[in-house]
Amino acid sequence: AQKITQTQPGMFVQEKEAVTLDCTYDTSDQSYGLFWYKQPSSGEMIFLIYQGSYDEQNATEGRYSLNFQKARKSANLVISASQLGDSAMYFCAMRGGSGGYNKLIFGAGTRLAVHP
Amino acid sequence: NAGVTQTPKFRVLKTGQSMTLLCAQDMNHEYMYWYRQDPGMGLRLIHYSVGEGTTAKGEVPDGYNVSRLKKQNFLLGLESAAPSQTSVYFCASSYSEEVYGYTFGSGTRLTVV
Repeated sequence: AQKITQTQPGMFVQEKEAVTLDCTYDTSDQSYGLFWYKQPSSGEMIFLIYQGSYDEQNATEGRYSLNFQKARKSANLVISASQLGDSAMYFCAMRGGSGGYNKLIFGAGTRLAVHP
Repeated sequence: NAGVTQTPKFRVLKTGQSMTLLCAQDMNHEYMYWYRQDPGMGLRLIHYSVGEGTTAKGEVPDGYNVSRLKKQNFLLGLESAAPSQTSVYFCASSYSEEVYGYTFGSGTRLTVV
């Protein structure tokens, strides 16, 4: 069965530094998509970045990049130049694979705190 | 503004009461979903729908029922609420292709006492 593992319940980083949030996934299929979402204290779910399993280049969106290592089944989120507004809960998710394209499966999340 | 709208935003129920959560989307998405979020457990899929008139069970369907009579609406029902159903509920919708992520509603905080 599909599974997403985020091993860091909490992380902290100094403002303006970079931080990496870990995500590993488990699927036996070749076609799948990986997503990262941000959930600030207000509660809404904000889409950050997407990586397709066949994409050869790592995805980037502004200060967000996804370090995709297919052989290791990892899809770590890198946030560069952290800002105070980056303090939030971050979720890694996978769509496709053995779970089918119908469902997005989430990890337990990592709470990031950015310190001034 | 286009998006996913959930009602109500907050609700307190007594054990054994019933209620329906409404989700509406105006993006013509085929797929719709109900998740629950509990501390330390991420979002878990309750039920989902891949089109009008269809529903399917997710990871944690027990105690919930759903209906999708119209493409834009997805209803989540609790027939007899239990304290274990205290949670934040999120509705989401998406296109069918895997490259698309989900658009989420703002959530419903439900407390069962």
